[in-house]
Order: sequence, then C-alpha cells, then structure tokens
Amino acid sequence: QKEVEQDPGPLSVPEGAIVSLNCTYSNSAFQYFMWYRQYSRKGPELLMYTYSSGNKEDGRFTAQVDKSSKYISLFIRDSQPSDSATYLCAMRGDGGATNKLIFGTGTLLAVQP
Amino acid sequence: SAVISQKPSRDICQRGTSLTIQCQVDSQVTMMFWYRQQPGQSLTLIATANQGSEATYESGFVIDKFPISRPNLTFSTLTVSNMSPEDSSIYLCSAVTGTYGYTFGSGTRLTVV
Repeated sequence: QKEVEQDPGPLSVPEGAIVSLNCTYSNSAFQYFMWYRQYSRKGPELLMYTYSSGNKEDGRFTAQVDKSSKYISLFIRDSQPSDSATYLCAMRGDGGATNKLIFGTGTLLAVQP
Repeated sequence: SAVISQKPSRDICQRGTSLTIQCQVDSQVTMMFWYRQQPGQSLTLIATANQGSEATYESGFVIDKFPISRPNLTFSTLTVSNMSPEDSSIYLCSAVTGTYGYTFGSGTRLTVV
C-alpha cells in the first residue's frame, strides 16, 4: 500500500464548476499537508497548506484535513480554464525520519471554457 | 518566496553518457532535495543535500549513479551517470524555504536514447 493515494484522473469539468480533489494516506505521523499545482512543463508550486486537522480557505480554494479518516481534500470554486493543471497532494511529519515530503501521484484537471 | 533556477530545462542524451543538472537558489537555504518525476507516478525523492555534508540517498538510489554536489548554501548539482533509457524522466530540485515552503525548480526533462 502506498503511503499516499491520489486519484490520477483525468478530471474534466466545465468552467464555473466546483472541483473536489482528494488524497488518502496511511501514516498517522503526517502533520503538514500541502497541495501543489503543476502546469505543463513547469515545477510544482505551493498552492495551499494546513497543519493538522481543519479547514483553510484562500480565495476560491479550500483545503480540508480529516486526520481521523486520514483524508485530505482541495475544493476549487468557480473553476476557471487557468486552473487546468496537475494537482499534487503532499504531506510530511514533524521531524526526523518523517520530515520527508511524500507526494501523491497527482490529479490532472481540465476546466473547459 | 525563493526562486530556483534549474538548467538545462531539457536534454536528449546518448546511453552510457552522463548529464549534470544545476540548481541555483536566489537565497541561502539549508536543505535541498532532488526528485524524479515519471509519468503517472509520484515525485520520488532521490536524495537530500545539505551544505557541508554528504548527500543522503533514498532506498533505490546510489551515489555512484546519482552523485550530488552542494558546494554552498545556494547551489547544488545532480549528475545522472552512465545513463540508460530507464533514466528518462523529469528531474526536479527543491529547497526548504519556510515551514511549508518547499519551492521547486522548473525541472529538467531528460530523454536517453
């Protein structure tokens, strides 16, 4: 079993739709949870981050962490064609051997105008 | 946030040869990382490079194949040695630029023929 599981998609939605991206994980030591966005032929860029459980909102983006279920989500409201990219979840522990950033496989999102 | 310049952006190499990838950060950073990204797969950590010490390699990666240099706090190189077609991938460098801030370079797309 992989430490982090993410549906690879591809996911195609019409402009204006609400998008839900999800990851599950198995390591209960993970404390820092991040979402990266990667455009084609570019490196990943940090989009959202949370520590431990809870929600965080930034504009059209909301990140949720449910540590009891080992499940994280990224919601995109009013999706735009410019949101078309691969979205990668990433997580790590609080130090030592768990400090390495572990990535999901990424979900390819296409927002159709 | 920090900016990471990575070069070359892409290359096509003959099997049996070596390629050195350079990564320059616009600020001093303690920890730098090298990742490999293959289609449909997670970013896989190759090694962690700290200035002034030997790089730490992940399981499945060895120094003879992927020698790393870290001469100062803003620069690192990764060499892919004695290349085979299986080494064709995207190689990414990353640096820790904050609690959540793992910043990435734009990647090197390597094709071995």
